[in-house]
Amino acid sequence: SQELEQSPQSLIVQEGKNLTINCTSSKTLYGLYWYKQKYGEGLIFLMMLQKGGEEKSHEKITAKLDEKKQQSSLHITASQPSHAGIYLCGADRPPSPSGGYQKVTFGTGTKLQVIP
Amino acid sequence: SAVISQKPSRDICQRGTSLTIQCQVDSQVTMMFWYRQQPGQSLTLIATANQGSEATYESGFVIDKFPISRPNLTFSTLTVSNMSPEDSSIYLCSVELAGSSYEQYFGPGTRLTVT
Repeated sequence: SQELEQSPQSLIVQEGKNLTINCTSSKTLYGLYWYKQKYGEGLIFLMMLQKGGEEKSHEKITAKLDEKKQQSSLHITASQPSHAGIYLCGADRPPSPSGGYQKVTFGTGTKLQVIP
Repeated sequence: SAVISQKPSRDICQRGTSLTIQCQVDSQVTMMFWYRQQPGQSLTLIATANQGSEATYESGFVIDKFPISRPNLTFSTLTVSNMSPEDSSIYLCSVELAGSSYEQYFGPGTRLTVT
């Protein structure tokens, strides 16, 4: 089965600092998703990456998928207290013989705290 | 995007009882998923529920313990049967929006505590 490892497991940064969270897969990623979760709440979809080398940005958050499609990074610029939460990467299962995809794997999560 | 609601938002149940969690989406979706997030852990997929077919369960999850209904394209239920304290988790439903992006969205979750 596909496993996703995230690093670091937790991160404490001063407000205004930049930070990067990594998600590494043991197999080729067919679709990589980044989510944010606040304690006790549901997941908020941030971004989805599919193509090797793809990069997407939303406000101060940028996510990249490497050319080999086995690693993704999430970069937050000028962090704010509102960025605090748990960031999860999720990956599509490789296509079935019928060609369908199903989301089955999530990373272990990175807990981010931003100190004002 | 999709707006997903879940009921109840939280519950405290006694062992041996069952709880049915409802998931309502504001648009028609083909694929719905149920996840479990145990305390301090990441999400684990329980099953995929497509309208018009039986739910597909992941390894370690069985229909007798987690029966799922999917009567239409906007609604699904997950029942946690014969509960034990080990079932204490957050249960989330999720939908996939068809289209070029195949983005997946999650409900707010149901926090279940079994005593």
